[in-house]
Amino acid sequence: EADIYQTPRYLVIGTGKKITLECSQTMGHDKMYWYQQDPGMELHLIHYSYGVNSTEKGDLSSESTVSRIRTEHFPLTLESARPSHTSQYLCASSEYTELTSYNEQFFGPGTRLTVL
Amino acid sequence: QKEVEQDPGPLSVPEGAIVSLNCTYSNSAFQYFMWYRQYSRKGPELLMYTYSSGNKEDGRFTAQVDKSSKYISLFIRDSQPSDSATYLCAMRPGRRALTFGSGTRLQVQP
Repeated sequence: EADIYQTPRYLVIGTGKKITLECSQTMGHDKMYWYQQDPGMELHLIHYSYGVNSTEKGDLSSESTVSRIRTEHFPLTLESARPSHTSQYLCASSEYTELTSYNEQFFGPGTRLTVL
Repeated sequence: QKEVEQDPGPLSVPEGAIVSLNCTYSNSAFQYFMWYRQYSRKGPELLMYTYSSGNKEDGRFTAQVDKSSKYISLFIRDSQPSDSATYLCAMRPGRRALTFGSGTRLQVQP
């Protein structure tokens, strides 16, 4: 089982609140990712990081922000939550191997966010 | 048009059946192809990984990639109720992040 953790697992919050979704991994992976997944829909990459102090926006535009101050920690923040932010948020990490270009992504269990 | 198309199902089969799951894609730059399994309320876990065209077998699972047709498949032999999950195909060109299909929900009936 992958050593990647997300908290909280479930969050129900009112509109306008600031929230931070936590993601930590103990595998020493350089690369970390945040995906958004709605029921029955594909995962959409919203943020990724290739190392400390490196963050990039993904394919899906998101009002959330991320930071990567420590290798093992990649929190996602929403300054003012809205009902349109209701979704499942999945964090993943991977290690790039130059020889094979193999980078299996290990996923956390996800945070299911509901904004009322 | 989505870059990766996958039939959402649900696909319901009896225990012991051979299951075939498929994805088509439009980006000819994709080189690395993966299948993930996602149980309800869990994150996806990697099942199979293949590079370029060809077949790869791992126990009851076989992954096939046909780059000329832009078509990938996952076969599950002797399916079990514990195989009931959503199966996501994923692919990427080189070092970029993965592009996922929407997933096919599989139900194996005992």
